[in-house]
Amino acid sequence: DTAVSQTPKYLVTQMGNDKSIKCEQNLGHDTMYWYKQDSKKFLKIMFSYNNKELIINETVPNRFSPKSPDKAHLNLHINSLELGDSAVYFCASSQGGGGNQETQYFGPGTRLLVL
Amino acid sequence: QQQVKQSPQSLIVQKGGISIINCAYENTAFDYFPWYQQFPGKGPALLIAIRPDVSEKKEGRFTISFNKSAKQFSLHIMDSQPGDSATYFCAASAINDYKLSFGAGTTVTVRA
Repeated sequence: DTAVSQTPKYLVTQMGNDKSIKCEQNLGHDTMYWYKQDSKKFLKIMFSYNNKELIINETVPNRFSPKSPDKAHLNLHINSLELGDSAVYFCASSQGGGGNQETQYFGPGTRLLVL
Repeated sequence: QQQVKQSPQSLIVQKGGISIINCAYENTAFDYFPWYQQFPGKGPALLIAIRPDVSEKKEGRFTISFNKSAKQFSLHIMDSQPGDSATYFCAASAINDYKLSFGAGTTVTVRA
């Protein structure tokens, strides 16, 4: 029973393409996140949603658009992919609205390579 | 700008040795300090966390030491095992901040 799942696990695409990553959590959590981990392993938060509402948008280019159809899902759509978008993208979730003070449960990651 | 500074970037320790990772912060509003462990190819997972009302927290072989006046905290891994080889991230947050500020990570390699 996977708590936080992401699809696809690997994504190889050409510059300029548009792609989506899907995330689902079955923990009943209220808050979901997207993180980007670069080649130096630095983890940077991109977005956070609480009960389908955007609460954090960390100066991410507007080519990145999150969508939360319900509180169990948070998808990430990326337009006009660039070489610098190559990274591992992690989805995470936490119990309540105070996500910063609670355990965050991470998915397995989506490895995006832009050629 | 990185709000939590973590060092060293990597360390190698012999099996049975002690691994020590240090973190420092400036934001005095931070009041929650978790450590996350990440194995290759996996997502990070919470290892242990501390709040500033205590100076030390121990869970098994893992201990967090916290120095509020110095605004520093550290992770000690006692009797390090090859299975502890992973990347460790310190993090910090303030109440109502809605996000964790992560350190840059430390890759620990335990040699058998």
